[in-house]
Amino acid sequence: QVQLQESGPGLVKPSQTLSLTCNVSGAPISSGGYYWTWIRQPAGKGLEWIGRIYTTGSTDYNPSLKSRVSISADTSKNQFSLVLKSVTAADTAVYYCARDRWEVPGFDYWGQGTLVTVSS
Amino acid sequence: DIQMTQSPSSLSASVGDRVTITCQASQDIRNYLNWYQHKPGKAPKLLIYDASNLETGAPSRFSGSGSGTDFTFTISGLLPEDFATYYCQQYDTVPYSFGQGTKLEIK
Repeated sequence: QVQLQESGPGLVKPSQTLSLTCNVSGAPISSGGYYWTWIRQPAGKGLEWIGRIYTTGSTDYNPSLKSRVSISADTSKNQFSLVLKSVTAADTAVYYCARDRWEVPGFDYWGQGTLVTVSS
Repeated sequence: DIQMTQSPSSLSASVGDRVTITCQASQDIRNYLNWYQHKPGKAPKLLIYDASNLETGAPSRFSGSGSGTDFTFTISGLLPEDFATYYCQQYDTVPYSFGQGTKLEIK
């Protein structure tokens, strides 16, 4: 059974950097066929696609965040990470990691989500 | 970016009812649309992919249809566990985008 679990600080100060890690079990992120994705949901709002990384290391980002975001993967630890720089209160959200199928797109496995609050 | 507009934003219904949610894309997305169920504190669950295909393990009371810019999602015979928020999501073009959600509540 594939499982994803987000981890990282729950509180980040404005202008600082948000860093989250998604630990994956039950499937090697090094195998092809899937994108490993970050999605967020601010309180009371809808879901926002942040970006993704493929097995090859190629990445795609939401242009609304592109200048501040990066996603990387550590295949030896079977995890991938999100870094978001220069955060503001608008970045306060529940952050999810998810697996996206390459051949028949859809986020089929998700983490439980982790709340990150940006506040001084 | 492609904008996804869902309606209604909220809906009250009773157990046993048939409910329909619509999703409109700001441009042609062919059939590249998924539907998710989301309950508070839980991970979203994929129900429908490619606009009309039932995800493995999803109950058959869930169905979807449409192509191009207009899509519908239907629950036939609501069960208590179906009260949740539902989202459409396009994957025609990066950045992928979601509708704003439809909160389905018990009447």
